[in-house]
Amino acid sequence: EIVLTQSPGTLSLSPGERATLSCRASQSVSSSYLAWYQQKPGQAPRLLIYGASSRATGIPDRFSGSGSGTDFTLTISRLEPEDFAVYYCQQYGSSSITFGQGTRLEIK
Amino acid sequence: QVQLQESGPGLVKPSQTLSLTCTVSGGSISSGGYYWSWIRQHPGKGLEWIGYIYYSGSTYYNPSLKSRVTISVDTSKNQFSLKLSSVTAADTAVYYCARGGRYCSGGSCRPNWFDPWGQGTLVTVSS
Repeated sequence: EIVLTQSPGTLSLSPGERATLSCRASQSVSSSYLAWYQQKPGQAPRLLIYGASSRATGIPDRFSGSGSGTDFTLTISRLEPEDFAVYYCQQYGSSSITFGQGTRLEIK
Repeated sequence: QVQLQESGPGLVKPSQTLSLTCTVSGGSISSGGYYWSWIRQHPGKGLEWIGYIYYSGSTYYNPSLKSRVTISVDTSKNQFSLKLSSVTAADTAVYYCARGGRYCSGGSCRPNWFDPWGQGTLVTVSS
C-alpha cells in the first residue's frame, strides 16, 4: 500500500497569501496518478486536481498542482476567504487507493 | 449532471451488518466507463477508500476491510450498495459514495479520481 504523508498538518495564512501544501508518497506514484481534493465542514470532498497537475472543471486557476514520483505539491497562488478548508491528496497508481491524512488551511 | 445520494440506517448495533445504498441520477451505471466506489471518513479524521464496483459486477476492496465488505450493483435501479459485516464502534463514520473514472494500464483497469461524490451519510455503531 502506498502511504501518503501530507505536510504541514495545519497551515495558518492570511487572505491574499500564497499556500503551498505537500504530499509525499512512500513509493513512487506511477504516471503521476495523484489527485487533490478540498473539503469544507459538513460537505463532501470536491475534486480540484487530477493527474498531479490538471485542474478539474470549474476550478479557479489560482489552484495548481505539480510534482512527480514521490513528491507532489498543491499551490494556491492568492488565497481567497473560501479557500480555507481541509485538503487531501489521493493516489490511484496502485490497486489499493489511498488518501493522505489532510492539511488544514486556516485563517491567520 | 450526475448526482449520487446515499441512503440507509443511521444507527447500527455492534456485530450487525451495515447496509447502505447509493442512488445515481443524471447518468446510467450500465453505460460503463466508470467505477462506483464507497469511501468513509471517521469523525474528525481523514478519508478511507472502502472499495469499488464496475457495472459488470467486478469488484475490488481495500485489503484492510476485504473480509467484511461486499459491494453490489443493481443496474435496473441505477443503484449500488455496500454491506459491512460484524461492525464495531470503529466503523462509526460518514460514508460517501462516489464515481471514479476508469483507466487501464498494464492489462488491468481501475478507478482514478473521484468525482462527483454523494453528500455522505453518518452511520453510528452503538447498542
